Amino acid sequence: QQQVKQSPQSLIVQKGGISIINCAYENTAFDYFPWYQQFPGKGPALLIAIRPDVSEKKEGRFTISFNKSAKQFSLHIMDSQPGDSATYFCAAKTGFQKLVFGTGTRLLVSP
Amino acid sequence: ETGVTQSPTHLIKTRGQQVTLRCSSQSGHNTVSWYQQALGQGPQFIFQYYREEENGRGNFPPRFSGLQFPNYSSELNVNALELDDSALYLCASSRGQGNAEAFFGQGTRLTVV
Repeated sequence: QQQVKQSPQSLIVQKGGISIINCAYENTAFDYFPWYQQFPGKGPALLIAIRPDVSEKKEGRFTISFNKSAKQFSLHIMDSQPGDSATYFCAAKTGFQKLVFGTGTRLLVSP
Repeated sequence: ETGVTQSPTHLIKTRGQQVTLRCSSQSGHNTVSWYQQALGQGPQFIFQYYREEENGRGNFPPRFSGLQFPNYSSELNVNALELDDSALYLCASSRGQGNAEAFFGQGTRLTVV
């Protein structure tokens, strides 16, 4: 019940396209859903986050869509750029800040 | 405002040895969490410290232990190293327990041979 399932495992998108990464969870106690971006050899960097009382949040080219009833949330990267090539992790939080991470999606944006 | 810094960046240890990893939290942050990230996996929660007290622990054995100091910096200690302990160890800090945003350091890459 503590798991967060993430798909796809890898994704190739052409420059200018839309990248979509999906996550699903079971624990309805989760109250915060962040997305992290990680480059090789670096720590995860907080990208964007949403709370379950909101269905969508947009920051620049990044949008989170949240479906509380389906217990799913997704990251959309509009106008994807080669510099967006990285591994993306969804996560969920419960209680005192323990983050439960998905397994990651390796995104490659081709020039 | 300084970010989260970890030291060392890389470390090679022999099986059975002990290791200490260090983390300086972001300015103004009093909560530090440690995560283990195996190659190709998502980070796994080890434990969290808030105001020098451990207040949460993941599914890791007692040979993983930690400390938080009055300046909110933190240490992760691992005894009796095993080959499977080879991973990227990440420290994250946040401002209090009610604030959800956690910011990660660059990690320490530990290799156990």
